[in-house]
Amino acid sequence: DQQVKQNSPSLSVQEGRISILNCDYTNSMFDYFLWYKKYPAEGPTFLISISSIKDKNEDGRFTVFLNKSAKHLSLHIVPSQPGDSAVYFCAARQGAQKLVFGQGTRLTINP
Amino acid sequence: SQTIHQWPATLVQPVGSPLSLECTVEGTSNPNLYWYRQAAGRGLQLLFYSVGIGQISSEVPQNLSASRPQDRQFILSSKKLLLSDSGFYLCAWSRKGQGWYGYTFGSGTRLTVV
Repeated sequence: DQQVKQNSPSLSVQEGRISILNCDYTNSMFDYFLWYKKYPAEGPTFLISISSIKDKNEDGRFTVFLNKSAKHLSLHIVPSQPGDSAVYFCAARQGAQKLVFGQGTRLTINP
Repeated sequence: SQTIHQWPATLVQPVGSPLSLECTVEGTSNPNLYWYRQAAGRGLQLLFYSVGIGQISSEVPQNLSASRPQDRQFILSSKKLLLSDSGFYLCAWSRKGQGWYGYTFGSGTRLTVV
């Protein structure tokens, strides 16, 4: 049972435009959500997070939105840059010890 | 500062051979430790996690096992590899308690079983 889903395996965006990555979850007990960025042959690196008591968190070009009623999470990148090309994973905290990850979305920024 | 080391970076092993991947964390004590696998075209699947020495929780029945012989050392093993064990294996650590900032991942091991 996939509790965290990223339904778009890939996304292509023109440089300078907005990238929107989406994530849906099923478990209403998740209390913390994170986005990770992964380059090939490297481990994922933390990008941005949001607590379930908030609906928006912003860090520079990156903004995460949380819609608890819809159980939906999104990451906005504005403006998109070539270095943003990577696989993005959303994750949700389950209990005190574990993160549950989505399948990932491959973002490609075109010049 | 804290660092996490994972090795080897790449490994090609024949079917039926044993496996040992090692992960160590520096600069912190009593971390939570995790093994994840990213199979081709799939997301990150939690295999094992450990909250202390000798304490291992298995998430998915499989051909693998994990051990934590020291506080900051986490080992992933198999007695006999299967073709389906191929994938990208990631070790990660996290702090315990409040102020939780998610995981810090190692650089990963690309395992190809042939």
